[in-house]
This record gives sequence, C-alpha cells and structure tokens, in this order.
Amino acid sequence: ELKVEQNPLFLSMQEGKNYTIYCNYSTTSDRLYWYRQDPGKSLESLFVLLSNGAVKQEGRLMASLDTKARLSTLHITAAVHDLSATYFCAVDARTPMDSNYQLIWGAGTKLIIKP
Amino acid sequence: NAGVTQTPKFQVLKTGQSMTLQCAQDMNHEYMSWYRQDPGMGLRLIHYSVGAGITDQGEVPNGYNVSRSTTEDFPLRLLSAAPSQTSVYFCASSHTSGGPQETQYFGPGTRLLVL
Repeated sequence: ELKVEQNPLFLSMQEGKNYTIYCNYSTTSDRLYWYRQDPGKSLESLFVLLSNGAVKQEGRLMASLDTKARLSTLHITAAVHDLSATYFCAVDARTPMDSNYQLIWGAGTKLIIKP
Repeated sequence: NAGVTQTPKFQVLKTGQSMTLQCAQDMNHEYMSWYRQDPGMGLRLIHYSVGAGITDQGEVPNGYNVSRSTTEDFPLRLLSAAPSQTSVYFCASSHTSGGPQETQYFGPGTRLLVL
C-alpha cells in the first residue's frame, strides 16, 4: 500500500527565513503534485513534477523530486506572511496498466509565517 | 468561466437522511472526481468519472453513489447519512485523467455535518 508522509505537519516560522517541507512516499512513482490550501478554502495547484530530478520554481517556492529516494521537497525562500497556508503533496500511484490518476495524498503541512 | 462550482456550501443532516451534493464545471473537462477531507488527513478519493456515462470507485466509496449524465455535472449522493460522513467534500476536474503536466482544478468545497 502506498503511503505518503509529509513532515513537518505543522511549522511556525518568521518572515525572511528559509525552510523545507518534505514529502516521502513508499513505492515507485514518477509523478508528484504540490497543492496549497488557504484556511476554509479550496486547493490550488502549485507544481506538477514528472520525472527524477525535476525542479520547478514559482516566486519564493521551489519544488524538487528525487524518485530514487522517493522524496520531494518544497523549499520556501525568505518567507512572507502571504505564504501562510497548508501545503499538500500527492503522489500518483498509477501502474503502467492505469490511464487514470491514482493520487495518494499526504496529510498536509500547516505553515504559519509570523511577521 | 466559473471553473468548478459546488452546492451547497454547508449542510447539516440527521443520521439516515439522504442528500445530493452538486458539482458542475464549465471547462469541458472529461475527468471529474469527488474527495473527502478529514482533519489531519490527506484527501481521499470517493468516486471518479472519465467521461459522461463512465464512473468508477475510489478509495472510500461505501455509502456514496455517483452518476455522470453530462460532461458538466457530477453529483454525489449520500444514501443514508452517518456521522462518519461528517467531512468536507471537494469536487475536482481535469481535462484528461492525468496527462503530462495535467493537474486537477478543485471546487470550493461542501462542509457536511451529520448529527
């Protein structure tokens, strides 16, 4: 059974600091997604990572994927208050026989950035 | 372009009652899905559809029914509500069921409380 573990589950940090959220998964996959959720709101897609070594950046957020280590990271550079949210990773567990998403989600990392 | 819409936003049910959560998208997406989100857990897939007339079960389908008579609409029916179905329900859609760089668009969610 595929398991997806995020850590930390909760993170409080100061503006201007750097930090990394980790997403570990337990079986082979080369497709991983990062989403953001603001309190009481819906989920917004941040990144789609499709292969080993994939790196994507948008503003102060950078995501990477290491399929050999079964690890993705979401790095926050010089955090600002507006980045406060819950961040989810989701791993696509589809087999070569599947043509559809088989997403397994992490529990989410609640990030609070203090001014 | 409204994206993915869901109604109602909030609903209180008594145990044993039935109801339908509505979901619609105006992006001509083939793939639609229903997730539930519980505190401290990632999203879990309830049912999904890869096109009109085609539905399939996800990870946690028991107690829920779906149908897809049109491309735009994908209602979720609770047959006999139970307190364990108290959750936030999200509908999502994507152009296909998981092509490269594909991502899902989420609706605003329905908060359901079953007493």
